[in-house]
Amino acid sequence: DIQMTQSPSSLSASVGDRVTITCRASQNIGTYLNWYQQKPGNAPKLLIYSASNLLGGVPPRFSGSGSGTDFTLTISSLQPEDFATYYCQQSHSTFGQGTKVEVK
Amino acid sequence: EAQLVESGGGPVKPGGSLRLSCTVSGYNFEDAWFSWVRQAPGKGLEWVGRIRRKADGGTTDCAPPVKGRFTVSRDDSKSTLYLQMDSLKTEDTAVYYCTSGLQEWGQGTLVTVSS
Repeated sequence: DIQMTQSPSSLSASVGDRVTITCRASQNIGTYLNWYQQKPGNAPKLLIYSASNLLGGVPPRFSGSGSGTDFTLTISSLQPEDFATYYCQQSHSTFGQGTKVEVK
Repeated sequence: EAQLVESGGGPVKPGGSLRLSCTVSGYNFEDAWFSWVRQAPGKGLEWVGRIRRKADGGTTDCAPPVKGRFTVSRDDSKSTLYLQMDSLKTEDTAVYYCTSGLQEWGQGTLVTVSS
């Protein structure tokens, strides 16, 4: 089974900061990688699909990159509504452990 | 707009069984793969299992912690996804979501396994 390792598990940042979260797959998964944002009490919300495609309606400050085993989610300028937990997922399979983005 | 609605959650004793349903509307159900995902209280997201569309064989896979105990199935005529959960353990306590694997998610249904 393919494992997804996400880092860091948490980070503290301020509004306006650039934030980068990484996700590593234990085997080559091509670009079958999605990124989700989740806030407490809510279902996850898809941000990025197929590693680098921004879902319609998602602000362009979010971007994804990578292929094979190494992937990155970047928030170019953190906004107040972005404090949440972020997960990578191999499509229809394993999730990373999550990264909680907290207020510094 | 797609809507996914889970049902069937609730309290159950260890060793018991439960069947979750996920009714899908506003979506091309028969052409989609679906997954079940769960989230234990205060924990991260955990993929539970998936089912392919019939055109891709309609086959299923489950994560190691539930393999042999949980079964994913679908009824394309009813646009409904199922999760049969047997031999339940306390560690199966979680909110269970159905999802298309992209932006379509249900609201979740809580399963509590406790004596």
